[in-house]
Amino acid sequence: EVQLVQSGVEMKKPGESLKISCQSSGYNFATCWIGWVRQMPGKGLEWMGIINPGGSDIRYSPPFQGQVTMSADKSTSTAYLKWRSLKASDTAIYYCARVCSGWLDPWGQGTLVTVSS
Amino acid sequence: DIQMTQSPSSLSASVGDRVTITCRASQGINNYLAWYQQKPGKVPNLLIYAASTLQSGVPSRFSGSGSGTDFTLTISSLQPEDVATYYCQNYNSAPYTFGQGTKLEIK
Repeated sequence: EVQLVQSGVEMKKPGESLKISCQSSGYNFATCWIGWVRQMPGKGLEWMGIINPGGSDIRYSPPFQGQVTMSADKSTSTAYLKWRSLKASDTAIYYCARVCSGWLDPWGQGTLVTVSS
Repeated sequence: DIQMTQSPSSLSASVGDRVTITCRASQGINNYLAWYQQKPGKVPNLLIYAASTLQSGVPSRFSGSGSGTDFTLTISSLQPEDVATYYCQNYNSAPYTFGQGTKLEIK
């Protein structure tokens, strides 16, 4: 069974850094990309970007370029999403998902990030 | 970037009704379109890819059609468990943008 398991709930203060993870299992990690999606409270899905399994090719959606950093580690089948300095507006659920042919399937369970002073 | 526009933003229908949701792309995307269902408080789930191919395990009352810029998701006979928000997604070219969502409720 293909599974993407994300790291747990995070509560942070503005200005703090954060790195969340998404570990894949049940398939050859090297064969598909990982996409990241943001869902702010009560809002819709926003495409953040996509990273290849080796981490050498990353395509950020313009609103997220420079705001987050995506990375991937083939040796552990894990993708990461990192912030250098969180803002309250980063409060959201962040989903990772496998992207083999363009569509997202399956999805991770989501990581809730809350940024509040 | 390609913009995806769904209509309506919300709708209410009765059990057994035929429901249609529309998604329009700001430029042609061939058939590189997916539909997702997100039930309240749950993770989004893939329903359809390549505009009309039903994902394994998805009930046959769901269907998709379209190509180019205009696409539809149809539920042939609405069931109570179909209460959810539905999203279309372009994957013709990055960024793989989503529509704003259509919230479906039971009347």
